[in-house]
Amino acid sequence: EAEVAQSPRYKITEKSQAVAFWCDPISGHATLYWYRQILGQGPELLVQFQDESVVDDSQLPKDRFSAERLKGVDSTLKIQPAELGDSAMYLCASSLSLSTYEQYFGPGTRLTVT
Amino acid sequence: EDKVVQSPLSLVVHEGDTVTLNCSYEVTNFRSLLWYKQEKKAPTFLFMLTSSGIEKKSGRLSSILDKKELSSILNITATQTGDSAIYLCAATGGSQGNLIFGKGTKLSVKP
Repeated sequence: EAEVAQSPRYKITEKSQAVAFWCDPISGHATLYWYRQILGQGPELLVQFQDESVVDDSQLPKDRFSAERLKGVDSTLKIQPAELGDSAMYLCASSLSLSTYEQYFGPGTRLTVT
Repeated sequence: EDKVVQSPLSLVVHEGDTVTLNCSYEVTNFRSLLWYKQEKKAPTFLFMLTSSGIEKKSGRLSSILDKKELSSILNITATQTGDSAIYLCAATGGSQGNLIFGKGTKLSVKP
């Protein structure tokens, strides 16, 4: 069964360091999403891609976060510099297209900033 | 502001009990409502509801959408310990049809 792949699964970093997460969506899925989930909360959308284009990054803290999907397949989310408040689960999800609302999630990356 | 509210936030039941989880939404350009189950990892898809009054069923789980009341319920019958998880409700809406999640209901099923 096709799955969304993410790495690393866990990351511990010191504040002010740079950190990057990788996501490979289900093959053929044009739309890719990055979410942040803080303990006890539902996931919150950070950025949405349609192929290689950003569709929505209104909730992405652009002073320190960046995301790219250069070839319209896999994607990288970067934080520089990391802050204590960035500790959370970072989830990647994909769907067939913008008009397909069923999203499939990867296993997530648990980030701890010390 | 778009929002999704789930209740209760947590629930403890015994095996064999039936539970009902609630979700209400206020979302512009509402298109569909989705339920996910989250154990100690990423959310896994359960149901997507787009039409009011039509029940979707999968084994012991079922869900229905009420567009008039802007709400949905998720029922689990004959609960098992493996049903222990956080159940997330999300509504698609807004200008991009993005998922807006509630905080989830944490269900604990005791043997």
